[in-house]
Amino acid sequence: AQSVSQHNHHVILSEAASLELGCNYSYGGTVNLFWYVQYPGQHLQLLLKYFSGDPLVKGIKGFEAEFIKSKFSFNLRKPSVQWSDTAEYFCAVNALGDYKLSFGAGTTVTVRA
Amino acid sequence: GAGVSQSPSNKVTEKGKDVELRCDPISGHTALYWYRQSLGQGLEFLIYFQGNSAPDKSGLPSDRFSAERTGGSVSTLTIQRTQQEDSAVYLCASGYRGEETQYFGPGTRLLVL
Repeated sequence: AQSVSQHNHHVILSEAASLELGCNYSYGGTVNLFWYVQYPGQHLQLLLKYFSGDPLVKGIKGFEAEFIKSKFSFNLRKPSVQWSDTAEYFCAVNALGDYKLSFGAGTTVTVRA
Repeated sequence: GAGVSQSPSNKVTEKGKDVELRCDPISGHTALYWYRQSLGQGLEFLIYFQGNSAPDKSGLPSDRFSAERTGGSVSTLTIQRTQQEDSAVYLCASGYRGEETQYFGPGTRLLVL
């Protein structure tokens, strides 16, 4: 079974700062990779996903993530955060053909106005 | 279009009582998943349905937990003889077979007193 680790538990930023959240997984085979976001009081929403192809994927709201296979990583980035990006961010992985998602513990991002 | 819906949104019950949690997936989604989100445990997979059958029940924590799906649509997660450690947010997700993205509902927050 795969496991997912997110490097930061809580990140505090000021508006316009750049954001990078780390995600590493342990699984030797082909994987699908996801970032989900949970805004305060809302449910989990898909931010972006990687199945195959270009390892740099772009998602909603200006987020992007880069899959580095050699490092088993899928880090999330945003060049300039806004107050509305305050949320909890989850990295998730499933092995190709396995529908079960394994989630990281989540990173709470607080953006100060 | 309509997303995944879950009911009730909140449930408070006494230890030892049975509870039923309901999930209405997105119309046309053949895959349905239950997860549990609790403090200290993060997001854990419980069970996966493809149509009305459950090929993967590996995440159900004990035999007090069961789930069914009827008509390839609505699913019910039942917890018998609830315990305080069952307190958590129970999340349902749905997706297309062969398409790995899972779309999450708002969850049912269960509190066992």
